Amino acid sequence: DAGVIQSPRHEVTEMGQEVTLRCKPISGHDYLFWYRQTMMRGLELLIYFNNNVPIDDSGMPEDRFSAKMPNASFSTLKIQPSEPRDSAVYFCASSLASVFGEQFFGPGTRLTVL
Amino acid sequence: KQEVTQIPAALSVPEGENLVLNCSFTDSAIYNLQWFRQDPGKGLTSLLLIQSSQREQTSGRLNASLDKSSGRSTLYIAASQPGDSATYLCAVRWDSNYQLIWGAGTKLIIKP
Repeated sequence: DAGVIQSPRHEVTEMGQEVTLRCKPISGHDYLFWYRQTMMRGLELLIYFNNNVPIDDSGMPEDRFSAKMPNASFSTLKIQPSEPRDSAVYFCASSLASVFGEQFFGPGTRLTVL
Repeated sequence: KQEVTQIPAALSVPEGENLVLNCSFTDSAIYNLQWFRQDPGKGLTSLLLIQSSQREQTSGRLNASLDKSSGRSTLYIAASQPGDSATYLCAVRWDSNYQLIWGAGTKLIIKP
């Protein structure tokens, strides 16, 4: 299996621009998670999906952030408009059959907002 | 409050040594505990998952133990190699919360 795939790996954008991060979970996994990692705050869960349905988005920091999962093999995290404080590494993870199950992470997208 | 602590924050040892990384947690009512490694600029790799009913899990040179009563887990690495150099993160789930609560990690350097 190819593991969790994320694109792009690096994104540099200017403040105010729209940013879209993409994730392909491991095939057959029912749960998908979006995390953000910063030096100051460590890893934070933003949102998770079960069978393509958003279940808990309480970690999404502001309305500027939105996430979708149109099908079982694709999810996006969008930031519009982006701000410098959004600079972080964004990870996508998936797990097989339980929200309590072992999570497998993608390589992350390093976002820099100038 | 449910918290996870990893001490030390950094550790440097010569190649070939056996070593132990520590993870402590408040509240013994955990659901499971997961160990990860993170290489610089890379994602997190899942190493081992221990369920609350288990005492240990092994994968190759890695052995993770769990002692709920004392609120501790250890990750034992046998015959360390330079390729083991990475940051090791411990994450805990409690029965009352599906979310992983993360330790700050231990940065491990194996000197050739």
